[in-house]
Amino acid sequence: NAGVTQTPKFQVLKTGQSMTLQCAQDMNHNSMYWYRQDPGMGLRLIYYSASEGTTDKGEVPNGYNVSRLNKREFSLRLESAAPSQTSVYFCASKRVGAGELFFGEGSRLTVL
Amino acid sequence: DQQVKQNSPSLSVQEGRISILNCDYTNSMFDYFLWYKKYPAEGPTFLISISSIKDKNEDGRFTVFLNKSAKHLSLHIVPSQPGDSAVYFCAASAIGSSNTGKLIFGQGTTLQVKP
Repeated sequence: NAGVTQTPKFQVLKTGQSMTLQCAQDMNHNSMYWYRQDPGMGLRLIYYSASEGTTDKGEVPNGYNVSRLNKREFSLRLESAAPSQTSVYFCASKRVGAGELFFGEGSRLTVL
Repeated sequence: DQQVKQNSPSLSVQEGRISILNCDYTNSMFDYFLWYKKYPAEGPTFLISISSIKDKNEDGRFTVFLNKSAKHLSLHIVPSQPGDSAVYFCAASAIGSSNTGKLIFGQGTTLQVKP
C-alpha cells in the first residue's frame, strides 16, 4: 500500500520558473490537502479539496494554484516561483468521518 | 497570528523518564486536537487525538490531556524511548471544519531521548 505519493521529492528552480508538484493517494480518501513546512512555522495549509470537484484556499494560498484532477490526484502549481516559496511541501489526504490526515513523504523545493 | 502554539522548540529527556510536550491554542472554536510525530525526511504521522468532550485520551505509552478552560493540551510519553526522538506537532480543528478536515498546526517541538 503506497498511501500518499508525492513527486518529485527534490526540485531546484530559478526565480520565475514554473513547476507542478504531483500528489496521488490510493486509499480512496475524499479530501486532499497541500501544506508547506518552514523552520519555526510548523505546517501551514496552502489549498485543500474537501471532495472531488472542489478546491478552497487555506492560510497561505498566494502564488499557488491547485487542480483536483480526480479522486486520487491533487496537484500544486507554482506559476512563477519566488525564493519565498523555498520550502518542504506535504500532500495529505483524509477519509470521510475521520479526523486525522495521512501525509506523503514531502517534496523539498529550492528556488534560487 | 499563531492560533496553535508550541512554545518549547526542543526538549531533552533521559530514556525511561516521562516526556511532556505542551501546546496552547487561542481559538475557542477548536473542538478536535491531534498530535503528529515527524522523523527527518519523512512525512508527519498521526499519533493520538482528543475531542473537546474529553479531557484525557490514552494509547499505550502516549496520553493526551486537554484543559479547555486554559486552552492547553499536553502529550505525555511514558516511558520515553530513544526511538521517540522526533519532531512533535500539535494540531487543531475548528467547529465547522470537521467535514473539510482543515488542521491548524503548531510550530513543533523537537524531542531528544538520550539512552
